[in-house]
Amino acid sequence: DGGITQSPKYLFRKEGQNVTLSCEQNLNHDAMYWYRQDPGQGLRLIYYSQIVNDFQKGDIAEGYSVSREKKESFPLTVTSAQKNPTAFYLCASSTTSGHTDTQYFGPGTRLTVL
Amino acid sequence: GQNIDQPTEMTATEGAIVQINCTYQTSGFNGLFWYQQHAGEAPTFLSYNVLDGLEEKGRFSSFLSRSKGYSYLLLKELQMKDSASYLCAAMDSNYQLIWGAGTKLIIKP
Repeated sequence: DGGITQSPKYLFRKEGQNVTLSCEQNLNHDAMYWYRQDPGQGLRLIYYSQIVNDFQKGDIAEGYSVSREKKESFPLTVTSAQKNPTAFYLCASSTTSGHTDTQYFGPGTRLTVL
Repeated sequence: GQNIDQPTEMTATEGAIVQINCTYQTSGFNGLFWYQQHAGEAPTFLSYNVLDGLEEKGRFSSFLSRSKGYSYLLLKELQMKDSASYLCAAMDSNYQLIWGAGTKLIIKP
């Protein structure tokens, strides 16, 4: 079955630690995205990638980093510089970027900083 | 600035019809998406409108008026499983999605 997987589903982190969230897709999509979802707010774009070895900052990139070494994978690292990292993180992919292609989402990772 | 407005919460009765409204202001416009999100789960795609008018897809329909910056999602024959948040997102001139905060729909028996 084609789809997007994210792991882990729940993640706990101590303040001052970096943590990496995994996102894998087997849909053969070129574009991948990371969003953050907080209660009472719309999804906010952290980073996106239109093609392997290329990525762009979204609206709230500070304190986050990404890599896109393979088409299937787009991991997100939440660094200790992120002031308020507790949130629900969603990864998405679409056939292409820069077009009206539908974005499909993974199941999400809920990160809690203790 | 860019903005999406939709009601925070709505309540409806099983078997009834409900209309969830969304107004948007974006820099350019490349279409309007509706997603359904059950609590703690991923958003799932429901509909996409780029031309004015009504698009029907089973029990769900979506309407767009570009001149008014307005869309609605119409859910008919409501079922308990329709209890979820419904997210409205407008695509701007850079093909980026601008998201509303979502409308939590509560279905009562």
